Amino acid sequence: DAGVIQSPRHEVTEMGQEVTLRCKPISGHNSLFWYRQTMMRGLELLIYFNNNVPIDDSGMPEDRFSAKMPNASFSTLKIQPSEPRDSAVYFCASSFSFRGDTGELFFGEGSRLTVL
Amino acid sequence: GQSLEQPSEVTAVEGAIVQINCTYQTSGFYGLSWYQQHDGGAPTFLSYNALDGLEETGRFSSFLSRSDSYGYLLLQELQMKDSASYFCAVTSGTYKYIFGTGTRLKVLA
Repeated sequence: DAGVIQSPRHEVTEMGQEVTLRCKPISGHNSLFWYRQTMMRGLELLIYFNNNVPIDDSGMPEDRFSAKMPNASFSTLKIQPSEPRDSAVYFCASSFSFRGDTGELFFGEGSRLTVL
Repeated sequence: GQSLEQPSEVTAVEGAIVQINCTYQTSGFYGLSWYQQHDGGAPTFLSYNALDGLEETGRFSSFLSRSDSYGYLLLQELQMKDSASYFCAVTSGTYKYIFGTGTRLKVLA
């Protein structure tokens, strides 16, 4: 398997522009997570899905952020409009969650976002 | 809410043993896992504890005490390649994974 695939790997944009980050989870996994990582705040959970349904979006910082999972093999995280404080590495991760799971998340390589 | 505490930085020499502690507060606790992240890379899974006790995987071991809301990662026979950040993460009953702030391990020659 190719693992979790994220795109783009790097994105530089100007304040006010729309940013869309994409994620393809590992085939067969039923949970998908979006994290944001910064030096100051560490790895923050933004939102997670189980069987394509958003379970908890309490970590989404504000209405400028939205996430969708239209099917089991694709998810997007959108920021509109983007601001300089959104600059971070955004990770997508997937897992197969079931009773007695092993706690193992598989992370993509991340999307490094810079908002000027 | 949920919170995890880890030391921010630990330094040790090659060949030594180092222990990274993690204390947590959470509702609906299911298990504690550990991840390694090298600079510029993605976190990768190391180990998981759902029950009290020690789990061993090669040079790495992880311990959990549910009654104390405490766990640790033990790294033995340290190598230079072990220099990285290490994160503990709690899993809740809804399969929600919350990460600690991470411990930066520096291994000196």
